[in-house]
Amino acid sequence: GAVVSQHPSWVICKSGTSVKIECRSLDFQATTMFWYRQFPKQSLMLMATSNEGSKATYEQGVEKDKFLINHASLTLSTLTVTSAHPEDSSFYICSAGTSGINEQFFGPGTRLTVL
Amino acid sequence: EDQVTQSPEALRLQEGESSSLNCSYTVSGLRGLFWYRQDPGKGPEFLFTLYSAGEEKEKERLKATLTKKESFLHITAPKPEDSATYLCAVQATDYKLSFGAGTTVTVRA
Repeated sequence: GAVVSQHPSWVICKSGTSVKIECRSLDFQATTMFWYRQFPKQSLMLMATSNEGSKATYEQGVEKDKFLINHASLTLSTLTVTSAHPEDSSFYICSAGTSGINEQFFGPGTRLTVL
Repeated sequence: EDQVTQSPEALRLQEGESSSLNCSYTVSGLRGLFWYRQDPGKGPEFLFTLYSAGEEKEKERLKATLTKKESFLHITAPKPEDSATYLCAVQATDYKLSFGAGTTVTVRA
């Protein structure tokens, strides 16, 4: 099946710093990538949808200036959490899909802890 | 607004004790219903996609079924390695997935 990787798998940072998370589709071209956030014992909440070469579409309540998404190529999308605060601590998961295919393939997730 | 409700929240089974998980949904324009397995600290692992009422899919000890209002994931003769959180998600015409809160299954040997 399709493989999606994320880097780093975990990161600890100080409050006020920015953190970049990479999401890569390893064996297919992802026309669309999705970013989710999952708090402990809760389900995945969609943050934004990004299509290669265009601006991301953010879900209601998600600050686009705080969560910067770049989808510069068909195999790479990045999420940058700017000026991170402890309440941004969460499990961030990306998924990737191909045009015309319904399935989304998920990365292994990135655990962000903001001190 | 699309809604997905999973029950029960948690399920403790003895090895070999078959059971079913429920996923009730409301969605405008269902493109597909997805089942995923998620282990602690990992991303969701794809299990099944169901597209229309009456459809069934099987994989090893798992079988998923779909009606117009709900889906069931049947676990037959589970083993300890089937312990995980099982997530249900509906996909609308915009390709976005809306997830339920999941059912955490624990299978004891």
